[in-house]
Amino acid sequence: QQQVKQSPQSLIVQKGGISIINCAYENTAFDYFPWYQQFPGKGPALLIAIRPDVSEKKEGRFTISFNKSAKQFSLHIMDSQPGDSATYFCAASLDTGTASKLTFGTGTRLQVTL
Amino acid sequence: GAVVSQHPSRVICKSGTSVKIECRSLDFQATTMFWYRQFPKQSLMLMATSNEGSKATYEQGVEKDKFLINHASLTLSTLTVTSAHPEDSSFYICSASNRFSYEQYFGPGTRLTVT
Repeated sequence: QQQVKQSPQSLIVQKGGISIINCAYENTAFDYFPWYQQFPGKGPALLIAIRPDVSEKKEGRFTISFNKSAKQFSLHIMDSQPGDSATYFCAASLDTGTASKLTFGTGTRLQVTL
Repeated sequence: GAVVSQHPSRVICKSGTSVKIECRSLDFQATTMFWYRQFPKQSLMLMATSNEGSKATYEQGVEKDKFLINHASLTLSTLTVTSAHPEDSSFYICSASNRFSYEQYFGPGTRLTVT
């Protein structure tokens, strides 16, 4: 019930195209859904996050769409650029009272070609 | 976002020795720090959660006597891998947060290689 399923495992998009990564969860107690970007040999960096009380959040070229009834959320990267080539992780957070533990998806390796 | 550092960035040690990894929050007080392990081309797996001044809480399957975690101050947590073996070779990443935010700020990671 703590799993977060992520797809696709890898994705190749042409420069200027839209990259779409999907995640699904089971535990309805999750209350915070961040997306992280990770470059090889580096720690993950927060891209954008959403709470379950909104259905969409946009920051620049990055948009999260959230479907609470389906327990699914997705990341859209508009106008994808070669510099966006990285591994993307969705996550879901559960407030345990003293800390919010993150459960990560399996990751999507995005390659943006010229 | 807040800045979290880790030291060292890379370490190579011999089998049977111990190695300590430091995680520091540079510009905020981290009431909670998390330690993750990441194998190549895999996701981050939470190892333990530590709150300042108290014992760490380990995830199921993580040996607390092998992975010693100390969170003695609001800006520093350490992970000591004791009696390291080649199978402990991995990328270890810490993150920090405080009670006022859901966000976790990640360090740059430490690549541990045990020979």
